[in-house]
Amino acid sequence: EVQLVESGGGLVQPGGSLRLSCAASGFTFSSYAMHWVRQAPGKGLEYVSAISRSGGSTYYANSVKGRFTISRDNSKNTMYLQMGSLGAEDMAVYYCAVYSSGYRHWGQGTLVTVSS
Amino acid sequence: QSVLTQPPSVSAAPGQKVTISCSGSSSNIGNNFVSWYQQLPGSAPKALIYENNKRPSGIPDRFSGSKSGTSATLGITGLQTGDEAHYYCETWDSSLSTVLFGGGTKLTVL
Repeated sequence: EVQLVESGGGLVQPGGSLRLSCAASGFTFSSYAMHWVRQAPGKGLEYVSAISRSGGSTYYANSVKGRFTISRDNSKNTMYLQMGSLGAEDMAVYYCAVYSSGYRHWGQGTLVTVSS
Repeated sequence: QSVLTQPPSVSAAPGQKVTISCSGSSSNIGNNFVSWYQQLPGSAPKALIYENNKRPSGIPDRFSGSKSGTSATLGITGLQTGDEAHYYCETWDSSLSTVLFGGGTKLTVL
């Protein structure tokens, strides 16, 4: 059974940083591109970032480019999202997801709250 | 305002059929696969349809997807109260080089 478990969310002050993790199991992690998708309170889904199977290619939504860094460690079956210069617009539930012609599997999400 | 346009809400009675539309353009739906997701209240999204009309294992055939030109449609037959959720379409946009989601449609089963 595919499992994706996000962690690292929490309360952070405006301008602060946070690192999210996504621990994967139940499938061959290194065979799939992985994405982060977020959902602001009461809003729809928004693509955030993607990383290729090897980690050699990374992609970002314009809204986070230059502030967020995605990475993965295939030896640990884990993906990361380093987030910086956080603002109110970044407050959301962050989901990691397996991407293969669409988001096949999703984690349960981790909440990031930006507030002073 | 989403590039992919979905109706904000749809409703139908139990046992009936409903369709949810997703309208885009040639740079997204017109030339790329469409997926659909169900998000039950308080839960993470779940894949319902991928590659326009394919169902992941475990998804009942009450759910179907289709695409024509620059629009896609999710169909749900035999509606159940448990189908009450938000539904999102998703595709790649070749011009913007990004994944796009529709704004979401709330389904109410009356």
